[in-house]
This record gives sequence, structure tokens and C-alpha cells, in this order.
Amino acid sequence: SAVISQKPSRDICQRGTSLTIQCQVDSQVTMMFWYRQQPGQSLTLIATANQGSEATYESGFVIDKFPISRPNLTFSTLTVSNMSPEDSSIYLCSLILGLTDEQFFGPGTRLTVL
Amino acid sequence: SQQGEEDPQALSIQEGENATMNCSYKTSINNLQWYRQNSGRGLVHLILIRSNEREKHSGRLRVTLDTSKKSSSLLITASRAADTASYFCATAPVDSNYQLIWGAGTKLIIKP
Repeated sequence: SAVISQKPSRDICQRGTSLTIQCQVDSQVTMMFWYRQQPGQSLTLIATANQGSEATYESGFVIDKFPISRPNLTFSTLTVSNMSPEDSSIYLCSLILGLTDEQFFGPGTRLTVL
Repeated sequence: SQQGEEDPQALSIQEGENATMNCSYKTSINNLQWYRQNSGRGLVHLILIRSNEREKHSGRLRVTLDTSKKSSSLLITASRAADTASYFCATAPVDSNYQLIWGAGTKLIIKP
């Protein structure tokens, strides 16, 4: 497995502001994913972030709202832009190690937008 | 997007009893994975079962997969209070490029 950290672990933000969430891994990985989990719901994939290429966004998510950076094989950021209360969720990064299909998750960032 | 449905949505049992959760899905898959989430925190990977496998064990966990019925079950034997969590199944469709499709989850409560 890998050690995955996310910062911040939680935040309370005002409507209209932006928050950047960081995901750090202790080993080099090719594929990283960003998910959103709205209160009481399951996970929804926002985008796939591979190092050296633009992130691939799922239907319903756009780069202007959720810009992603992947500067190297151990780090990624997700920004939630121009936030509204509907963006209140847990945001999770995940990754796949080696040749297994198992995904490992960071501890999540709990975002509340007022 | 979600393709999986899990039942029950919530399950409350006494400590020591067995807990069974079910997951159904819609498309052909490469594998199916079960995860645990405690109190809205990060997800912990429990077990992965491939499409050519029918049953897998890990400690007190037993997972079955029936690809003809497009369904899977997770059995937790001799439940403990620490097993209280939400459990999610996630499927990797054959054309998914590592993307997982998630079920709605089962909230399991173990009463001491």
C-alpha cells in the first residue's frame, strides 16, 4: 500500500471563494483520481489525473470549476472554484499502485461552504 | 456515476452475529471491490474479486461473485463493534481504464 495525505483535512469556506486541496503520496504513481462524496451519498468520480497530461473530467465536471494540477508522480491538487453551498462534500484523492487494480484512498477533505 | 445497487441500505445487528451485504451491477466487469468507510473519512480497501473468481476470503470477510446474476455479497462473520461503518462495492467495467463505478453503500451498525 501507500501513505496518502490530504491537506486540509477540513475547511469552512465562504461562498464565492476557492479552495485548493493537496494530495501527497509517498511513492510514485501514474494514475490518480479525484472523487466527491456529497453528504450521505456514494462516491462520484470528478476526474482522472495522470502526470504529464491534462486531467480527464467526467460528465458534469469541468476544468473551470475543478482545475487539477499533477506536477509530478507523487503530488496532485484539486481546486474547487467559486464555491457554493452545493459544493459542500468530502473530496478524496485515490491512486492505483503498480499492476494491481486496487485503489487506495487519502483520508479526505471535508469541505463546508456557507 | 453509479451502476451498483447495494442492499440493504442499512443493517443493524448484535455483536457476534454475521452481517451480509449485497451488491448488484449492470455491465460486464473486470473485477469488483469492497471498501469500508468509517464516519465519513477515507475509504479502506477490503477485498478485490476478479470476474473469473467465485469466492474469496480475507480474515472474517467472505466475498462471493456471481457474474451470471451480476451480483456480489460481502459476509462479515462474528461481527465486532469496530465493524460499524459504511460498506461500498465498486466495479471496474471491462472498458473502464481503471475507473470504478460505485454502489450506494450499506450502513452497518453493530450493537454491543
